Amino acid sequence: DIQMTQSPSTLSASVRDRVTITCRASHSINIWLAWYQQKPGKAPKLLIYKASTLEGGVPSRFSGSGSGSEFTLTINSLQPDDFATYYCQQYNSYPWTFGQGTKVEIK
Amino acid sequence: EVQLVESGGGLVRPGGSLRLSCAASGLTFRGYSMNWVRQAPGKGLEWVSSISSTSGYINYADSVKGRFTVSRDNAKNSLYLQMNSLRAEDTAVYYCAGVPTMFQGGPRLPPPEKSFDYWGHGTLVTVSS
Repeated sequence: DIQMTQSPSTLSASVRDRVTITCRASHSINIWLAWYQQKPGKAPKLLIYKASTLEGGVPSRFSGSGSGSEFTLTINSLQPDDFATYYCQQYNSYPWTFGQGTKVEIK
Repeated sequence: EVQLVESGGGLVRPGGSLRLSCAASGLTFRGYSMNWVRQAPGKGLEWVSSISSTSGYINYADSVKGRFTVSRDNAKNSLYLQMNSLRAEDTAVYYCAGVPTMFQGGPRLPPPEKSFDYWGHGTLVTVSS
């Protein structure tokens, strides 16, 4: 199975900060990586797929990059609505696996 | 508006069974492969099972293989998960989630363009004596 490791696990930031979350895969997954945002008590929401393609309706302050085994999610100018937990997920091979999550908290 | 609505969760004793349902509306159900993803209380996300558009390709996580069975009824725009021999570690919120491809999980097929783009609100399954 491909293991996905996110860092950091928790991140404290302020509104208007630039935030970067890293996701590493234990084997190469090419570009088959998605990022999700999840708020408490809610279902995850797709933000980015194919490592860097923004899902429709997602603000342009979110961006993704990377290929192979190292990926990043960047949030430019963090907004109050962005405080949430973020997960990466590989869909290169079964079983599809998620990172453990990164909680973005208010500093 | 796309809606995925799960039902069937509840409290069940270890060793018991439960059947989850997911009713889809607002999307071309036949155009989607469907999945179950679960989240234990306070924990991360775990993919459980997938089923392609016409049920030709079915996959399971090792943790549920042999105990859970996924199925779908395209005439009813519905997805199901039959869960048998339930264990305490199966306690979780179960989400149904759609992938916009007809052929998810087929051997020698490339990955889909996009992963889970629609999710239900989830249904809680609690396995406890």
